Amino acid sequence: DVKVTQSSRYLVKRTGEKVFLECVQDMDHENMFWYRQDPGLGLRLIYFSYDVKMKEKGDIPEGYSVSREKKERFSLILESASTNQTSMYLCASSPLGQGGTEAFFGQGTRLTVV
Amino acid sequence: QKEVEQNSGPLSVPEGAIASLNCTYSDRGSQSFFWYRQYSGKSPELIMFIYSNGDKEDGRFTAQLNKASQYVSLLIRDSQPSDSATYLCAVRNTGKLIFGQGTTLQVKP
Repeated sequence: DVKVTQSSRYLVKRTGEKVFLECVQDMDHENMFWYRQDPGLGLRLIYFSYDVKMKEKGDIPEGYSVSREKKERFSLILESASTNQTSMYLCASSPLGQGGTEAFFGQGTRLTVV
Repeated sequence: QKEVEQNSGPLSVPEGAIASLNCTYSDRGSQSFFWYRQYSGKSPELIMFIYSNGDKEDGRFTAQLNKASQYVSLLIRDSQPSDSATYLCAVRNTGKLIFGQGTTLQVKP
């Protein structure tokens, strides 16, 4: 059974804190993604990675960074959390390939910045 | 222009009817197209993918792709109340996977 696991389901942090969101997949997938989901805006891509130590900016990378030191783990870092980063964060992974390579999602982390 | 656009709805259909969900995309280089379903409070789950022009059927679901018009659709036949959810269109181009804002479907008994 495929599995993408996010380290926390709910998280409350203070403005200005450095926040780490962790994601681990056990499917040996090359691609990993971080999205945020807000009402009416759908899933917006923050960053994605297609290999260890490789990363590409998505549509809304400002205020975020990522780290992929091992193939199975992709971390999202909020350098200095702000209230407008309060959101649901979803991690996903998929195999490499241009065809019907399904992305599998973690359970999500609901982050509240106060 | 957004890369992937959907009508946010809500789309309301009676039980047993056909629900039609639409999606347009802006990048002609896009290679594969996905429909995900997301129930409230849950993560998205894949329903279907398509990458060739035409129709692809899987049970009550049919995905349609028209690359010339940059248009993808999902038809749900014999809609059930359990189909009530948000449907997300996603488009892949060289690894990047971009989602639309989702269409909320309500199937009324």
